[in-house]
Amino acid sequence: GQQLNQSPQSMFIQEGEDVSMNCTSSSIFNTWLWYKQDPGEGPVLLIALYKAGELTSNGRLTAQFGITRKDSFLNISASIPSDVGIYFCAGRLTGTASKLTFGTGTRLQVTL
Amino acid sequence: EAEVAQSPRYKITEKSQAVAFWCDPISGHATLYWYRQILGQGPELLVQFQDESVVDDSQLPKDRFSAERLKGVDSTLKIQPAELGDSAMYLCASSPSSGETQYFGPGTRLLVL
Repeated sequence: GQQLNQSPQSMFIQEGEDVSMNCTSSSIFNTWLWYKQDPGEGPVLLIALYKAGELTSNGRLTAQFGITRKDSFLNISASIPSDVGIYFCAGRLTGTASKLTFGTGTRLQVTL
Repeated sequence: EAEVAQSPRYKITEKSQAVAFWCDPISGHATLYWYRQILGQGPELLVQFQDESVVDDSQLPKDRFSAERLKGVDSTLKIQPAELGDSAMYLCASSPSSGETQYFGPGTRLLVL
């Protein structure tokens, strides 16, 4: 099935650094979601975006719904060790009621 | 805090055997989803229920996979016979209704030998 393109695929950063990742698609989405998945667990919703251009924050996390509606960005400021995990974007295509399409994931490693 | 429950958390089986996974959604959630997540990839939808009815099973390999949600509450996903390529994490999610935020369970990790 279709998956969104996420980049980078993996990141190794030092504690305290800021992180940026993005998600792109050739299709237009009307909803963008960002999830975090810890090893052996299910994804947990971090941020939901519903309007083009929308910028939403959740603590140290900030996500944006791209103007073209074909991309989204997630930033994490001042990373800490518990930020380690895999970050997935997910989108809902225009015209589909609820089906989510997930990205390929960005694996984040934080070193002390 | 209400959570989606799944069992078992881990399952090892031999190919050609039958396996079944169970999911109990958050109370009151009408929509239930089963996803398959292959290692290194994002989840992919297998089947979506609205109450007891299937609304999308277009990606479910129906020759070997079946899913039911008889009373519109908990759900079972079955694979018979299991194949090596079925090794993956099987995730269940629920939402209050179609189109609303999906909440995921911890998943069942399946290994087929």
